[in-house]
Amino acid sequence: DGGITQSPKYLFRKEGQNVTLSCEQNLNHDAMYWYRQDPGQGLRLIYYSQIVNDFQKGDIAEGYSVSREKKESFPLTVTSAQKNPTAFYLCASSIGWASNQPQHFGDGTRLSIL
Amino acid sequence: AQTVTQSQPEMSVQEAETVTLSCTYDTSESDYYLFWYKQPPSRQMILVIRQEAYKQQNATENRFSVNFQKAAKSFSLKISDSQLGDAAMYFCAYMGGGADGLTFGKGTHLIIQP
Repeated sequence: DGGITQSPKYLFRKEGQNVTLSCEQNLNHDAMYWYRQDPGQGLRLIYYSQIVNDFQKGDIAEGYSVSREKKESFPLTVTSAQKNPTAFYLCASSIGWASNQPQHFGDGTRLSIL
Repeated sequence: AQTVTQSQPEMSVQEAETVTLSCTYDTSESDYYLFWYKQPPSRQMILVIRQEAYKQQNATENRFSVNFQKAAKSFSLKISDSQLGDAAMYFCAYMGGGADGLTFGKGTHLIIQP
């Protein structure tokens, strides 16, 4: 079945540590996105990529980094510069540039501070 | 920047009745798309319905329909014949013509009373 796989489901970070969240899709989608969800909040856009080897900052990119070396993969690194990383992280993809195409979401990764 | 406002943090409805969730947005763009997503306790994001701004006809998907008022920048979701499985967080989302990610409202928690 085609879909988006996020791993791990739960992740714990120590102070000063970088951690990487994985997002893989086999939908042959060009565009991929990372969102952060805090309690009582909607999702907020961290980074997005509309094509391989290119990505753009979203609304809350500070303290995060991404790469897009392969079409199917869009990992997110939460760096030590992100002082409040505890949140639920969702990865999404869509078929391409056209914004009428809905985004499909993974099941999310919950990141907590140790 | 675009903003999306959901003014109802929580709504409650009796099973089999109809409920309407409100959403307003602010944008200076003329070409954009609007979505309603459902997030059950599993935290998975599920697309409920979408609306293209250039279409005057309101979108419908089975028991779900929207009332899109472009001039008023309003995009409400009507759920008919509410079912227990409809209980979830509902998010209204906006995407502009540049396909640069979704802007979400803070969500409405829908409770279905049996």
